[in-house]
Amino acid sequence: KAGVTQTPRYLIKTRGQQVTLSCSPISGHRSVSWYQQTPGQGLQFLFEYFSETQRNKGNFPGRFSGRQFSNSRSEMNVSTLELGDSALYLCASSWRQGDYNEQFFGPGTRLTVL
Amino acid sequence: AQSVTQPDIHITVSEGASLELRCNYSYGATPYLFWYVQSPGQGLQLLLKYFSGDTLVQGIKGFEAEFKRSQSSFNLRKPSVHWSDAAEYFCAVGAQTGNQFYFGTGTSLTVIP
Repeated sequence: KAGVTQTPRYLIKTRGQQVTLSCSPISGHRSVSWYQQTPGQGLQFLFEYFSETQRNKGNFPGRFSGRQFSNSRSEMNVSTLELGDSALYLCASSWRQGDYNEQFFGPGTRLTVL
Repeated sequence: AQSVTQPDIHITVSEGASLELRCNYSYGATPYLFWYVQSPGQGLQLLLKYFSGDTLVQGIKGFEAEFKRSQSSFNLRKPSVHWSDAAEYFCAVGAQTGNQFYFGTGTSLTVIP
């Protein structure tokens, strides 16, 4: 069974631009969660999507948004990029909504904002 | 408030030496506890988890962890470290309901030959 895949693996953007990251969950998993990982803040929960609806949200500004498609694939968008948005963005999938105890992580997308 | 503390930011051990990574948690209810490993450029891989039962948990790659409720700790151990164990290690705590999850800030492990 294929694992969680994320594309692209690396991105370089400049301040003010916007970016879209993609995550394909494990087949059959319907929940996708997104995390931001930075050296200073560690791993922080962004949001979770299940059945195309955002179910849970962390403490991030509205510039961070996401969506989920009917095939459970999810995209995360960051608008008006800031230098501090440089991070590794991880997505995780699980079968049930809100079941973070059984989540599987993808390899991440490394975003660099210049 | 719920939190996970990994007091050691960075640890260096010699190959073949034993390893213990510390993790302390603060959680109001019975916690579910996890250790993840992240190799450079990779995502998180689950090493082991504790939900209930035997407080000594065996994981992959020869790792084990012991849950000590009285000390609010879940330390990760390995009797003999291999060079390939060099990575970042994260402790995490989750709720029984599965809808909350908190990571520690991680411990970076360097293995010297």
